[in-house]
Amino acid sequence: AQSVAQPEDQVNVAEGNPLTVKCTYSVSGNPYLFWYVQYPNRGLQFLLKYITGDNLVKGSYGFEAEFNKSQTSFHLKKPSALVSDSALYFCAVREALSGGYNKLIFGAGTRLAVHP
Amino acid sequence: EPEVTQTPSHQVTQMGQEVILRCVPISNHLYFYWYRQILGQKVEFLVSFYNNEISEKSEIFDDQFSVERPDGSNFTLKIRSTKLEDSAMYFCASGRMNTEAFFGQGTRLTVV
Repeated sequence: AQSVAQPEDQVNVAEGNPLTVKCTYSVSGNPYLFWYVQYPNRGLQFLLKYITGDNLVKGSYGFEAEFNKSQTSFHLKKPSALVSDSALYFCAVREALSGGYNKLIFGAGTRLAVHP
Repeated sequence: EPEVTQTPSHQVTQMGQEVILRCVPISNHLYFYWYRQILGQKVEFLVSFYNNEISEKSEIFDDQFSVERPDGSNFTLKIRSTKLEDSAMYFCASGRMNTEAFFGQGTRLTVV
């Protein structure tokens, strides 16, 4: 069965410092991996995805993520955090051969708090 | 930029009543989804819809739930007889084949 683990409920980082939000996954085949962000009282906003190709993918708002097949991880990173990055971040996965549609399995979410 | 829109933003209903949650997906998308997020819990897949039929549904999506695309633009989720445990944020999403799903702002359903 597919699953996603986000081991940290909350990540605290000072503004200007690099941030990492961790995600590991389990799927039976090749994964499609996604990061979404949720601001208070808002919907899920797509940040970036890994389908195939370069293991380092770049997304919106300066975020990037590194796909590591051997460690089954897809950690979200940003070189310099902003206070406005404070939000709830979700990692999600689906199997590549799931028929073209996005039955996403989400992690529990990690709350990122960036302090001035 | 096109977006998925959902109405209403908040719905309060009495237990046992029927509710219909409405969504307008992005116009050139062919795949449609409903997810829900119970307060403080994970976002959970409910159902996917393609070519006017359900392509997959979760165990949550029992006989009380139904989806419909009545007019080529709207995509609705109906809960026939709401229960207290149906209280959640319901997200509609749409996408194209093998691409990311774009989510709406959500409808907060409160069953009292």
